[in-house]
Amino acid sequence: GENVEQHPSTLSVQEGDSAVIKCTYSDSASNYFPWYKQELGKGPQLIIDIRSNVGEKKDQRIAVTLNKTAKHFSLHITETQPEDSAVYFCAAGATMYSGGGADGLTFGKGTHLIIQP
Amino acid sequence: AAGVIQSPRHLIKEKRETATLKCYPIPRHDTVYWYQQGPGQDPQFLISFYEKMQSDKGSIPDRFSAQQFSDYHSELNMSSLELGDSALYFCASSLEGDSYEQYFGPGTRLTVT
Repeated sequence: GENVEQHPSTLSVQEGDSAVIKCTYSDSASNYFPWYKQELGKGPQLIIDIRSNVGEKKDQRIAVTLNKTAKHFSLHITETQPEDSAVYFCAAGATMYSGGGADGLTFGKGTHLIIQP
Repeated sequence: AAGVIQSPRHLIKEKRETATLKCYPIPRHDTVYWYQQGPGQDPQFLISFYEKMQSDKGSIPDRFSAQQFSDYHSELNMSSLELGDSALYFCASSLEGDSYEQYFGPGTRLTVT
């Protein structure tokens, strides 16, 4: 099965600086890579995703890159703000383009991002 | 925008009892996923359904079963509860053939005493 590794487990950055979280995956069949933000007591919130036919995607202060050959993908957050503090999870999954549903996601262990004022 | 609805939000059960968790997907979404998240852990995939048929199976114990109904809502049935079943249970939904984006609900916190 799929195995997703995520680093670092804790990341502390100064407000306004950038944060980078990295993940690797093992299954070549995985073609969908979402990132989730989870605040205490809440469900994971989808913040950005990337598919295997794309190398980079950006949405305002958040960007994700994917290197299929090396099987790794990264989340970049620029101009960090206090409200960015949360646990971030990367995940990997496989879609079934022919229909019939999709696989469940395999998550990394999470990164606790702390934004220091 | 409408989100995934889960009920109940909190549930306390004793060992060996049964529990039923309910999930109402985002309107028009036809695929439902169940995940279990222990304290300080990542979500673990249990099972998913597409158009009322099981589409993928993860680490769901044999004591658990689930189904999806004609209105696309889903129920997770848990029997012979154990202390180790205490966790947050999330339901997520997506629209097959669209984007595969999974949107999570607020979760049900199950405590087994």
